[in-house]
Amino acid sequence: DQQVKQNSPSLSVQEGRISILNCDYTNSMFDYFLWYKKYPAEGPTFLISISSIKDKNEDGRFTVFLNKSAKHLSLHIVPSQPGDSAVYFCAALYNFNKFYFGSGTKLNVKP
Amino acid sequence: SQTIHQWPATLVQPVGSPLSLECTVEGTSNPNLYWYRQAAGRGLQLLFYSVGIGQISSEVPQNLSASRPQDRQFILSSKKLLLSDSGFYLCAWSDGLHYNEQFFGPGTRLTVL
Repeated sequence: DQQVKQNSPSLSVQEGRISILNCDYTNSMFDYFLWYKKYPAEGPTFLISISSIKDKNEDGRFTVFLNKSAKHLSLHIVPSQPGDSAVYFCAALYNFNKFYFGSGTKLNVKP
Repeated sequence: SQTIHQWPATLVQPVGSPLSLECTVEGTSNPNLYWYRQAAGRGLQLLFYSVGIGQISSEVPQNLSASRPQDRQFILSSKKLLLSDSGFYLCAWSDGLHYNEQFFGPGTRLTVL
């Protein structure tokens, strides 16, 4: 049973516009939520995280929003750049030592 | 600073052959260690995690096993590989200072023929 889901396998956005990546989860006991960026044949790199007690965290062009009642989080990238093109994984941390990942969303930012 | 190493980077093995992938972490003590697999077009599936030497938790029943002989060493093994074991294998770590983050190695591309 997949506890973290990314229902959009791909997203295409024009350079300079906003990219919104979505993620849903089922376990209300997750401690933290994280977003990772992954290029082909490389390990994922950490982007941004949010504690389960917060509803927003911002770092430069990246903002993560958490809606606990809907068990939904999203990553906003503004403005989007061609270098942002990659696969983005949503992850959730349980019991501070176990991570669950979504299936990923491939973002394509068109120049 | 902390670094994580994985080898080999790529591996082509025949069905039925054994497997050993190694992961080591530097610059931290008593990390949590993880093995993931990314099958073609799929997300990251957690295979094993370890919170200490000799402590291994398995997430899914499978043809693979893991061992942690030293604090910063994590090994993924198989006695007989299956075609379905092909994929991209990633090792990762987290620790008490970075408990809300997880850092990944460069990965190993395994092809079973």
